[in-house]
Amino acid sequence: AQTVTQSQPEMSVQEAETVTLSCTYDTSESDYYLFWYKQPPSRQMILVIRQEAYKQQNATENRFSVNFQKAAKSFSLKISDSQLGDAAMYFCALLPPSGSRLTFGEGTQLTVNP
Amino acid sequence: DAMVIQNPRYQVTQFGKPVTLSCSQTLNHNVMYWYQQKSSQAPKLLFHYYDKDFNNEADTPDNFQSRRPNTSFCFLDIRSPGLGDAAMYLCATSRDVVTYQETQYFGPGTRLLVL
Repeated sequence: AQTVTQSQPEMSVQEAETVTLSCTYDTSESDYYLFWYKQPPSRQMILVIRQEAYKQQNATENRFSVNFQKAAKSFSLKISDSQLGDAAMYFCALLPPSGSRLTFGEGTQLTVNP
Repeated sequence: DAMVIQNPRYQVTQFGKPVTLSCSQTLNHNVMYWYQQKSSQAPKLLFHYYDKDFNNEADTPDNFQSRRPNTSFCFLDIRSPGLGDAAMYLCATSRDVVTYQETQYFGPGTRLLVL
C-alpha cells in the first residue's frame, strides 16, 4: 500500500513572497511519478508540476519548483513570487508503475494575502 | 484546445432517483477515470476504463456504475442516490501507455446534490 501525507492543512503567504508546501509519501516501489495538483475555488484540478522518481534533477515550472528527496521520501513544492491566483487547495499525489491509482494527500489550503 | 469536459456542472437529483453524469474528452486518451470528492477531502477513485476494459475499485459501492460507449465519452450512473452520495464527481483522462505511467488530466467536475 502507498500513502501520501501533507502535514500542513493550511498555509498562508504574502503576495510576492515564497512559500513551501510539504509532502511525504511511502511506497515500496522504486520507480513512480509524483505530482502536485492545484484546485482553485472553481474546483477544477490543474496539474502544477510532476516529477519522475528516476530523475535526480528537481522539476521546475516557471515559479513552481520541487525539492525531491527520494531517500527521505519527501516531495515539497516551492512557489516563488506568490500571486493572488495561486490561492487554492494543493494536493500532492503519487502514481505507481504497477497500477493506475493516483494516491492523493489530504491537501493544503493556501491563502495568498495581498 | 484539447480538454476534458463534464456536463452538467451542477446536478440536483432526488433521493433514490437514478442520475447520470457525463464526461467527454478531446485528448484522444485511452484511459478515463471517475473520482468522487467530498467537501474538504482528497479525490477518491471509483473506477476507470483502460480502452474498453472496466476496472472497479474494491470499495466502490454497487450503486455506482459506468459506461464507455466510445473513446471520447464516459458516463457515471448512480442507480439509487443516497444523501451520502452528494459530492463533486471528477472525470480524468490519461494517455494510453502500457504501465499507466502518465499524467492524469481532470475535468471541471460535476457537483451533485441529493435532495
